[in-house]
Amino acid sequence: SQQGEEDPQALSIQEGENATMNCSYKTSINNLQWYRQNSGRGLVHLILIRSNEREKHSGRLRVTLDTSKKSSSLLITASRAADTASYFCATCLMSSEKLVFGKGMKLTVNP
Amino acid sequence: NAGVMQNPRHLVRRRGQEARLRCSPMKGHSHVYWYRQLPEEGLKFMVYLQKENIIDESGMPKERFSAEFPKEGPSILRIQQVVRGDSAAYFCASSPAGVSISPTGANVLTFGAGSRLTVL
Repeated sequence: SQQGEEDPQALSIQEGENATMNCSYKTSINNLQWYRQNSGRGLVHLILIRSNEREKHSGRLRVTLDTSKKSSSLLITASRAADTASYFCATCLMSSEKLVFGKGMKLTVNP
Repeated sequence: NAGVMQNPRHLVRRRGQEARLRCSPMKGHSHVYWYRQLPEEGLKFMVYLQKENIIDESGMPKERFSAEFPKEGPSILRIQQVVRGDSAAYFCASSPAGVSISPTGANVLTFGAGSRLTVL
C-alpha cells in the first residue's frame, strides 16, 4: 500500500477560501515534501519539512508535521483559480534516497 | 537552464514492440529517478540511478524493464515487448544529490514534463 495517503481525495472550494489537505504515512521519515501537478504536466516542488520541524511557511502555503501521529497537513490560504491542480505528499524514508508519493488530492478552486 | 528534458513526449507502440524513453537531467544534477503514473493515480517509484550506477531498482518490474544512466548522454528507460498495461505516463526527475537531508540542506526533485506511452 502507499506510504503516504492524502485526504480528502478531492476538494472543491471558492476562490478566496482556504484549502487544507492532509497526508498520513506509515514509517519513519527523514523529510516530507509536497508537490503540485497541473493536468498533463510534471510535478513541481512546493515545500519541504524536515522530521525535526513542526511547521513551515512559504508565501500562501503552510505545512505542519506531527511525527507522533505520522501526519502532515498543507494549508493554502486565500486560494485562487490558478491553484486548481493535484497535490501530492511525498515522504523520504529513513535510510533511503527515494521519495514515495501518495495518490494525490485534486483541488478545484472555482472563480 | 532548460530543466529536466524528457523525450519523446508521446509514444505509441504496438504490443510486442520496444519503448525507449529518454531523460536529460538538469545541468549539474547527477541523480535521476524514474516514476510511473497511471491515470488518476499517484506516482510509483521505479528506479534511482546515479551516473553509471543503479542505486535502487526496487520499483522496477522484474522482466522487460531496464534503466541506465551512462557516463555520457541521457538516462534511458527501456521497456521490451510492451503490453497494454504498460500504457502510462513515465516521469523522470533529477536532483543534485539524494533526497535525504544533507549537511548542506535537503534536496528536492525537479521533474520533467513526462513521456506518455500508449500501447495499442
